[in-house]
Amino acid sequence: GEDVEQSLFLSVREGDSSVINCTYTDSSSTYLYWYKQEPGAGLQLLTYIFSNMDMKQDQRLTVLLNKKDKHLSLRIADTQTGDSAIYFCAETSYSSASKIIFGSGTRLSIRP
Amino acid sequence: NAGVMQNPRHLVRRRGQEARLRCSPMKGHSHVYWYRQLPEEGLKFMVYLQKENIIDESGMPKERFSAEFPKEGPSILRIQQVVRGDSAAYFCASSPPGGTSNSPLHFGNGTRLTVT
Repeated sequence: GEDVEQSLFLSVREGDSSVINCTYTDSSSTYLYWYKQEPGAGLQLLTYIFSNMDMKQDQRLTVLLNKKDKHLSLRIADTQTGDSAIYFCAETSYSSASKIIFGSGTRLSIRP
Repeated sequence: NAGVMQNPRHLVRRRGQEARLRCSPMKGHSHVYWYRQLPEEGLKFMVYLQKENIIDESGMPKERFSAEFPKEGPSILRIQQVVRGDSAAYFCASSPPGGTSNSPLHFGNGTRLTVT
């Protein structure tokens, strides 16, 4: 079945760039997403990329997609304390039809 | 333009009681999805509904759980005879016609169910 994997933790210094990585198994993925979840809150859609793209940039966020390796990354430039959260990678595909499959989330913590 | 609205935000139930979670999709959205997030885990798909139809319930536990999305009113996720293991955050998402093939999912803020 479909699977999405992420590392569980990432710690970066304030002002540095954060890079959160994700791998997925479904070769028929259509959209890949990054969601942000702050403590006790819901999920905020940060950005998404269609599978025929290899990069998308939106202000401090850069998404890179390597479809051959089924690897997705999210780069946050100039990381701030407000970026502390759990970041979920997710994908949907023709084979999963209705479902978005989520990774387990990467907890990003910021060091002063 | 209100987003996906879920209520209540927090729900406490004793073991054996029933829990009813409500979700109103975004305006113009006719597809609703329910996901469950256990503590310290990611989101797991439960069920996908269109108005008056269950399209995919492959993630729903076989017993005690049911979902509906009537022609009028919000979608309801119902958990009968709750047990401690049902304690989780339940998130609802909606999309316009065409589902996730054309549009990302927008989530509500969730209902946090605590079973005592």
